Amino acid sequence: GIQVEQSPPDLILQEGANSTLRCNFSDSVNNLQWFHQNPWGQLINLFYIPSGTKQNGRLSATTVATERYSLLYISSSQTTDSGVYFCAVEGLWNFNKFYFGSGTKLNVKP
Amino acid sequence: DGGITQSPKYLFRKEGQNVTLSCEQNLNHDAMYWYRQDPGQGLRLIYYSQIVNDFQKGDIAEGYSVSREKKESFPLTVTSAQKNPTAFYLCASSPRAGGTDTQYFGPGTRLTVL
Repeated sequence: GIQVEQSPPDLILQEGANSTLRCNFSDSVNNLQWFHQNPWGQLINLFYIPSGTKQNGRLSATTVATERYSLLYISSSQTTDSGVYFCAVEGLWNFNKFYFGSGTKLNVKP
Repeated sequence: DGGITQSPKYLFRKEGQNVTLSCEQNLNHDAMYWYRQDPGQGLRLIYYSQIVNDFQKGDIAEGYSVSREKKESFPLTVTSAQKNPTAFYLCASSPRAGGTDTQYFGPGTRLTVL
C-alpha cells in the first residue's frame, strides 16, 4: 500500500500563532484529503485537495502531486483548533482504498 | 437531518462473542467504508463497498465480516476470530464509487473486549 508520513507528530502552539503541517506520500494519488479529529473522535473533512491550493477561512492547503507532499496551514490558531489532523490518500489504481497517516496532534493553549 | 449514524456508541464484549456494529446513512451515497483506529494511530481500512451487494477487503479484514443488502446500511460484525478487537471503529461514506470524492464520517463506536 501507499505509505503516508505526517510531521510533526505533536505540536503545541500559543493561541494566535501560525503553523504548517506536512503530509508526504510514497506514490501517485487520485485523491488526498485533510481531516480534523476532535477530542470526542469525530472526523471532519477539511479539504479535498489532490493538487493545487485551497483556502477556507483561517485554513489553507497546498498539494504538490509531482513531489508527493501536501501542506496544511493554520493561521491565527484558536483553542478550538486543538485535536488531531490526518492526511488520507487514495492511490491512482485502487479506487476507494484510502491510506491514512498517523496524524499530527495539535494543542493550542490560551 | 442528513448524515451518518453509528450505534452503539460504546460496546462491551466478552471474549469469544461475535458483535455487530451498525452504520446507517441517509445521504444517498454509493460508497461506504469501515475503519479501525487504535490509540495514537491513524485509521486502517477494514472493508469498503462501492455498490449494494458488493464489498471489498481492506488491509485488515481478517476476523471481520460485512454485508451491504441496502444502499443506506453497512453493518460490521467483529467475530471471535479477531484476536485484538478493542478499538475505535469508524464508518464513512462518499457520494460516488470510483474515487475523487470527499468522505464523511460517523461518530464512531468504541468496542472493549472484557
